[in-house]
Amino acid sequence: EDQVTQSPEALRLQEGESSSLNCSYTVSGLRGLFWYRQDPGKGPEFLFTLYSAGEEKEKERLKATLTKKESFLHITAPKPEDSATYLCAVKETSGSRLTFGEGTQLTVNP
Amino acid sequence: DTEVTQTPKHLVMGMTNKKSLKCEQHMGHRAMYWYKQKAKKPPELMFVYSYEKLSINESVPSRFSPECPNSSLLNLHLHALQPEDSALYLCASSQKWGGQETQYFGPGTRLLVL
Repeated sequence: EDQVTQSPEALRLQEGESSSLNCSYTVSGLRGLFWYRQDPGKGPEFLFTLYSAGEEKEKERLKATLTKKESFLHITAPKPEDSATYLCAVKETSGSRLTFGEGTQLTVNP
Repeated sequence: DTEVTQTPKHLVMGMTNKKSLKCEQHMGHRAMYWYKQKAKKPPELMFVYSYEKLSINESVPSRFSPECPNSSLLNLHLHALQPEDSALYLCASSQKWGGQETQYFGPGTRLLVL
């Protein structure tokens, strides 16, 4: 059974203080690892899909990386508007469902 | 255009009511999904439609009835719901093209069952 574990559960940063969120996964065969951002009461916003170990993708202050066991979402010089819950999900090669982690709630203070 | 739209945004219904949630996408995606999300929890998959056919039903109670009238539309018919069914209902669509796969979510319908 696919498993996804995100850490930490919650993270408070000062504006400009860079950090990383972790997503550890267990899957029989990885079709893709997805990162989403979700604001309260809204639908998840697609950020990245990563497919193989060593892959990296960037978008503004966010950079996602992937190994065979985990993914990191690096946030460089965050701003208060980066405050949100970040969700990680995996899709296995034989399936069509996403298995989500519990999310990391990020708060960036000005 | 990477938009999935959902209507209504909010819905309040009694336990004897019948209502429907609607979802639409015009990205040409052939897979569409319904998820349920409770506060501070990740989305839970309910149904998957692939090429307009139901491919996954995650043992969802029959008071939830999905329908895919065409490749752009997805409905969720609600009947005799319980208060514990109150949640954010999310629609999503996905496509794999050129080795890249994306899954986009709509803004959700906030449902309150009284």
